[in-house]
Amino acid sequence: DGGITQSPKYLFRKEGQNVTLSCEQNLNHDAMYWYRQDPGQGLRLIYYSQIVNDFQKGDIAEGYSVSREKKESFPLTVTSAQKNPTAFYLCASRKTGAPNTGELFFGEGSRLTVL
Amino acid sequence: AQKITQTQPGMFVQEKEAVTLDCTYDTSDPSYGLFWYKQPSSGEMIFLIYQGSYDQQNATEGRYSLNFQKARKSANLVISASQLGDSAMYFCAMREVAYSGAGSYQLTFGKGTKLSVIP
Repeated sequence: DGGITQSPKYLFRKEGQNVTLSCEQNLNHDAMYWYRQDPGQGLRLIYYSQIVNDFQKGDIAEGYSVSREKKESFPLTVTSAQKNPTAFYLCASRKTGAPNTGELFFGEGSRLTVL
Repeated sequence: AQKITQTQPGMFVQEKEAVTLDCTYDTSDPSYGLFWYKQPSSGEMIFLIYQGSYDQQNATEGRYSLNFQKARKSANLVISASQLGDSAMYFCAMREVAYSGAGSYQLTFGKGTKLSVIP
């Protein structure tokens, strides 16, 4: 079945450590996104990529980095510069080409806790 | 100003009854899209329904319908015949072409409404 796989589902990190969240999709989608979700809040955009080897900052990119070396993969690194990294992280992808409403397909998320 | 406002942090509905979840939006972009997503406790976001700003008719998908009132900038989700499995967080989201660019399709999300279905 096609879909988006995020790993790990749960991750614990000590302060000062970088951590990388994996996102893999087999939907053949060009565009991929990373969102952050905090309790009682909606989703906020961290980074997005419309094509391989290209990505743009979203609304809250500080303290995060991404890469897009393959169409299927869009890993997110939470660096030690991110002041409050404890959150639920969601990866998404979007079909390109017409017809296209812009609907996003989401993974099951990764919950990061900083100890 | 918030682009998407969901004023109901939590809602209760009796099983088999209908429920309306409110969403208002703010945009000056003439071309935009509105989405509703469901997030069960497992965390995955599930797409429910879409309404384009130029669509003449309200969108429907099975038990879900979108009450689109363009002049009021309102896009309420109506769930008919509620089921226990409908208990979840529900998020309204908007895509603006001018703001995000035709290619990026960024979605802006509201803070969500937690729906609880009572047996």
